[in-house]
Amino acid sequence: SAVISQKPSRDICQRGTSLTIQCQVDSQVTMMFWYRQQPGQSLTLIATANQGSEATYESGFVIDKFPISRPNLTFSTLTVSNMSPEDSSIYLCSVYGLAGRHHTGELFFGEGSRLTVL
Amino acid sequence: QKEVEQDPGPLSVPEGAIVSLNCTYSNSAFQYFMWYRQYSRKGPELLMYTYSSGNKEDGRFTAQVDKSSKYISLFIRDSQPSDSATYLCAMRDSGYALNFGKGTSLLVTP
Repeated sequence: SAVISQKPSRDICQRGTSLTIQCQVDSQVTMMFWYRQQPGQSLTLIATANQGSEATYESGFVIDKFPISRPNLTFSTLTVSNMSPEDSSIYLCSVYGLAGRHHTGELFFGEGSRLTVL
Repeated sequence: QKEVEQDPGPLSVPEGAIVSLNCTYSNSAFQYFMWYRQYSRKGPELLMYTYSSGNKEDGRFTAQVDKSSKYISLFIRDSQPSDSATYLCAMRDSGYALNFGKGTSLLVTP
């Protein structure tokens, strides 16, 4: 498994502001994934954070709204920009487990960052 | 039609009951299947991971995959109050993105 730490665990934000969520992993991984869990909805992949290259965004998500940094193999940040109440959600960082240099196919999640936008 | 369908429940059972949780999917390319348990205000915890069709057992949990019917199940034997949580099914093809169901809320009453 992987130990994934996220900060903040929760926050209440004002409309129009931005918040950066941090994700720290206990092992070096090539890819880190950011998911969103909106109330009553499925977890949805926002983007894949690749070390050394631009993040890859899924349909419906754009870099201007969700800029991502990946400065090294154990850390990533996701910023939620110009927030509106519709951005109230749980944001989750995840990585695949590793067996040597190969991933095991098992995706592990952090505890999540619960954002409420007023 | 969403790619993964899961009845949201809630499902309420007495302690000791056998619980059956199910998901259907539409994408025949899915070949990796997972079940997660999520307690309130916690991240999803991986319970079971299976590849292709068949059964996998781990303690009180059994995962079944029927690719011909595009149907997966999670069975919980001798259910306990501590099993009360939301159960999420997830699946993917050869890519990295997981496709999730909305989750089924389970309550096991003493």
